Amino acid sequence: AQSVTQLGSHVSVSEGALVLLRCNYSSSVPPYLFWYVQYPNQGLQLLLKYTTGATLVKGINGFEAEFKKSETSFHLTKPSAHMSDAAEYFCAVSDRRNFGNEKLTFGTGTRLTIIP
Amino acid sequence: DSGVTQTPKHLITATGQRVTLRCSPRSGDLSVYWYQQSLDQGLQFLIQYYNGEERAKGNILERFSAQQFPDLHSELNLSSLELGDSALYFCASSPRGTSGIDTQYFGPGTRLTVL
Repeated sequence: AQSVTQLGSHVSVSEGALVLLRCNYSSSVPPYLFWYVQYPNQGLQLLLKYTTGATLVKGINGFEAEFKKSETSFHLTKPSAHMSDAAEYFCAVSDRRNFGNEKLTFGTGTRLTIIP
Repeated sequence: DSGVTQTPKHLITATGQRVTLRCSPRSGDLSVYWYQQSLDQGLQFLIQYYNGEERAKGNILERFSAQQFPDLHSELNLSSLELGDSALYFCASSPRGTSGIDTQYFGPGTRLTVL
């Protein structure tokens, strides 16, 4: 079974600083990889995803993530944090072998706080 | 706005009761997923329907059931409710259910409180 580990349930960074949210997966076959963001009292919004091809994926709001097969990682970064980035971030995986029923398995989430 | 709608937004009920949560997918999306978000279990996949047929099942309790109707809206039925069923229930939709190609778009959720 696939699993996702997000290191750090809470991360605080200063406004303008680098944001780094960590995600590692466990799967015998590299899965599809996703980052979702959840703002307070809202649903989840897709930031970016990796399915195939270029391992550095650019998403919305200036975020990007790099798939590293050797490290089984898909860390999320943003060069300069903005106050509006404060939210909860979820890494998720989907088994690419389950064509047509590719449910998402989520990590436990990382709450990002931006310090003014 | 993702285009996925869920009703009601909030639901407060008592233990032992039964409730129905409704989801309308984005126009044209055939696949509907249900997820549960709780403090102790995190975000968990419950069940997926594709064009009216059940396609995948996750950690869904026997007290819970779902269906997808011909107009593609879906309902999640929760019965014999327990305190531990209090959670945020999300619906998501995608065109075909192929995550490698399609994005899952999430609704705003229904917050269920069982007293």
